[in-house]
Amino acid sequence: GAVVSQHPSWVICKSGTSVKIECRSLDFQATTMFWYRQFPKQSLMLMATSNEGSKATYEQGVEKDKFLINHASLTLSTLTVTSAHPEDSSFYICSASKRQYGQPQHFGDGTRLSIL
Amino acid sequence: QKEVEQDPGPLSVPEGAIVSLNCTYSNSAFQYFMWYRQYSRKGPELLMYTYSSGNKEDGRFTAQVDKSSKYISLFIRDSQPSDSATYLCAMSKTSYDKVIFGPGTSLSVIP
Repeated sequence: GAVVSQHPSWVICKSGTSVKIECRSLDFQATTMFWYRQFPKQSLMLMATSNEGSKATYEQGVEKDKFLINHASLTLSTLTVTSAHPEDSSFYICSASKRQYGQPQHFGDGTRLSIL
Repeated sequence: QKEVEQDPGPLSVPEGAIVSLNCTYSNSAFQYFMWYRQYSRKGPELLMYTYSSGNKEDGRFTAQVDKSSKYISLFIRDSQPSDSATYLCAMSKTSYDKVIFGPGTSLSVIP
């Protein structure tokens, strides 16, 4: 069964609105969660690394004021796309890991974001 | 040079064929090597992972890692139409570090 749950799976909204995506670790307490973005027919590109209780680390070229990440607990991280525009339309995927886990990360099923 | 390179395909094979998927990488610090399968509009599903060099077998799937050549492979035996998907190689320095993905290979297994 799924060890990482993402919600919602699909969201359509108007340009200018903010959208929040949740990522939950179901089977373990995740010390680190990662957020990726995937455009059609492309691979996953890391956006940011989120450690519980501290500020997220963003990859070069990712606007931290546009993509707000909160990792308030060991089982929940949220990504908020603020003032979304059509170019933000993409497939957003999270993953979770535990430092002592020793296993590769498990990924959520992704959230398809469409901005009209 | 990209950190991880992978032939994007598409690759089309008849049912029952042996499929060979490969990736090369440039960062010798990578220690974890993974293969993910991704169906359309779904998140990546972990198929196999290997720590450091060596082979690993799981049913019809065999993963190989050659760190000296910076080359990893995934073999699928007796391929099935349900294996049709995009296969992503991925690697990281530790199990909790960020994962770097290859571009993915699109595979179609024809009945």
